[in-house]
Amino acid sequence: ETGVTQSPTHLIKTRGQQVTLRCSSQSGHNTVSWYQQALGQGPQFIFQYYREEENGRGNFPPRFSGLQFPNYSSELNVNALELDDSALYLCASSSILAGGPVQFFGPGTRLTVL
Amino acid sequence: AQSVTQLGSHVSVSEGALVLLRCNYSSSVPPYLFWYVQYPNQGLQLLLKYTTGATLVKGINGFEAEFKKSETSFHLTKPSAHMSDAAEYFCAVTRNYGGSQGNLIFGKGTKLSVKP
Repeated sequence: ETGVTQSPTHLIKTRGQQVTLRCSSQSGHNTVSWYQQALGQGPQFIFQYYREEENGRGNFPPRFSGLQFPNYSSELNVNALELDDSALYLCASSSILAGGPVQFFGPGTRLTVL
Repeated sequence: AQSVTQLGSHVSVSEGALVLLRCNYSSSVPPYLFWYVQYPNQGLQLLLKYTTGATLVKGINGFEAEFKKSETSFHLTKPSAHMSDAAEYFCAVTRNYGGSQGNLIFGKGTKLSVKP
């Protein structure tokens, strides 16, 4: 069984640019959640996708957007990057039917904004 | 609204000593509670979870936690620390949203150091 994978592992961008991060969910999982983890902090919920629809959003501006595809993989897009967007971005997949209320995390993408 | 408080951003123990990491939660509905571990430059790995049933839950690597509703606590323990336990530990809470999965709310984390 393949776990959650994310790409790329590291990324360096400059302020004002746009970035796309990708996540492949664990087999059998139909829900993907994205979290931002700033240095020294706990992860903060960005948004969740369930069956290709946004299913909840945290306190993040609209320049953070996402997609979920029919195979349940997902993208996180961030426009107009700011220095404070530098963080580890974590993707988690889950399925109430397949695994209950447990989210399984990928290794993360480390984004640095200069 | 739900929230999680982890007491102590850093905890240091000697190898072989008891590990106790504290977590208190706030939730207006019965919570689901989790402990995750994060090793440097890695994602989060599930240690254990409480959903329903037995309030003492056992997880991987010899860790366990007890859900105490009256104290709104879910402290993580391990009888004997090992050098490989050095990592950051996060307590998290969510609730059952019916057919879909609720988001996790995390504490700020506790960094565990293990001295030889």
